[in-house]
Amino acid sequence: DIQMTQSPSSLSASVGDRVIITCRASQNIFNYLNWYQQRPGEAPKLLIYAASRLQTGVPSRFSGSGSGTDFSLTISNLEPEDIATYFCQESYSSPPSTPTFGQGTKLDIK
Amino acid sequence: QVQVVQSGNEVKQPGSSVKVSCKASGGTFNKYDFTWVRQAPGQGLEWMGRVTPLSGTATYAQKFQGRVTITADESTTTVYMDLRSLTSEDTAVYYCARERGGPTDYAWGSYPHAFDLWGQGTMVIVSS
Repeated sequence: DIQMTQSPSSLSASVGDRVIITCRASQNIFNYLNWYQQRPGEAPKLLIYAASRLQTGVPSRFSGSGSGTDFSLTISNLEPEDIATYFCQESYSSPPSTPTFGQGTKLDIK
Repeated sequence: QVQVVQSGNEVKQPGSSVKVSCKASGGTFNKYDFTWVRQAPGQGLEWMGRVTPLSGTATYAQKFQGRVTITADESTTTVYMDLRSLTSEDTAVYYCARERGGPTDYAWGSYPHAFDLWGQGTMVIVSS
């Protein structure tokens, strides 16, 4: 199976900061990469699909980039409601392999 | 308003089974696949399997093969996940999610698959 490695595993930032979370795949996954936000006690929410496409309704301060094996999620102008854990997920795998998630990056506000 | 609503939390004995339901409303049910993902306490997300309601075909993660069955009932627009031979390691929140990018999901275009609409989660506790 494809392995997804996120960094950092946790970070603290101030309101208004620019935050970057990275995700590395163990093999070339082209643009088959999604990002999810999971606020405490809630279900995950799709933010970015196909590496860089913003899901409908998601604020434009979120953006995604990358292709191949290296990807990043950027939050510009951090807001208090962005406190959450962020997961990347590859959708390149086909049966019998399974789609895999990164281990998550926990973001809190300083 | 399209939404996905799951059944309530469960407490189960080791060795028993649990069946979690996921009702989709407000959209065209059989245009999409539905997937199940679980999250153990304080842990990450783990994909379990998916079902294609149009064909009834399900595929499973190798880890759960033989122990999980995912089905879809088009008449009630409900998806089910049945997990058997429960152990304490199955204690987790189980999520149902709509999966975009299937062969009849024309509105998604040729973009890769993604899970765009999630249920609220069902907590399953396995304990004696």
